Amino acid sequence: KAGVTQTPRYLIKTRGQQVTLSCSPISGHRSVSWYQQTPGQGLQFLFEYFSETQRNKGNFPGRFSGRQFSNSRSEMNVSTLELGDSALYLCASTDRGGPAGELFFGEGSRLTVL
Amino acid sequence: QKEVEQNSGPLSVPEGAIASLNCTYSDRVSQSFFWYRQYSGKSPELIMSIYSNGDKEDGRFTAQLNKASQYVSLLIRDSQPSDSATYLCAVEGSGGGADGLTFGKGTHLIIQP
Repeated sequence: KAGVTQTPRYLIKTRGQQVTLSCSPISGHRSVSWYQQTPGQGLQFLFEYFSETQRNKGNFPGRFSGRQFSNSRSEMNVSTLELGDSALYLCASTDRGGPAGELFFGEGSRLTVL
Repeated sequence: QKEVEQNSGPLSVPEGAIASLNCTYSDRVSQSFFWYRQYSGKSPELIMSIYSNGDKEDGRFTAQLNKASQYVSLLIRDSQPSDSATYLCAVEGSGGGADGLTFGKGTHLIIQP
């Protein structure tokens, strides 16, 4: 069974640009959540999607957005990039039939903003 | 503001000894608790979940939960060098997975051969 797949794995952007990250969950998993990981703040919840609906959003500005498609694949977008957006962005999926906190993480997309 | 606190370490433990990792949380209504292991340069991997007070054992790992004290711990018996990693404590609130997990910043564990 294939794991959670995230693309791209690495990317470099400059301030003011925007970026789109993609996540394909484990087959059959309908819940996809996104987290930002930085050395200073650790892992922080961005948002969670289930059946194409955003169920909740963490404490991030509106520049951070996402969506989920009918095949459960998800994308997140960050507009008007700032230096502080440099981080590892992790996508995780879960089978809603099981405990919601038992997440399966992808390898992440490492974003560097110059 | 939900908070999860962990000692950042590094925690150095000799091979074969018991490693004890601790975590406290602020949200009294939290229902579910998780330990994730993250190797350097890799993504977090779930190793234990616990939902009720007491101990839960899985192989060399034991998770302990005390909701009255708002305290979660992870014991690793017969520690191996391959256990060297950062261990993240995560807490899920009463809203279920839709609220997302609140993670601690992790404890860096080093097992000395």
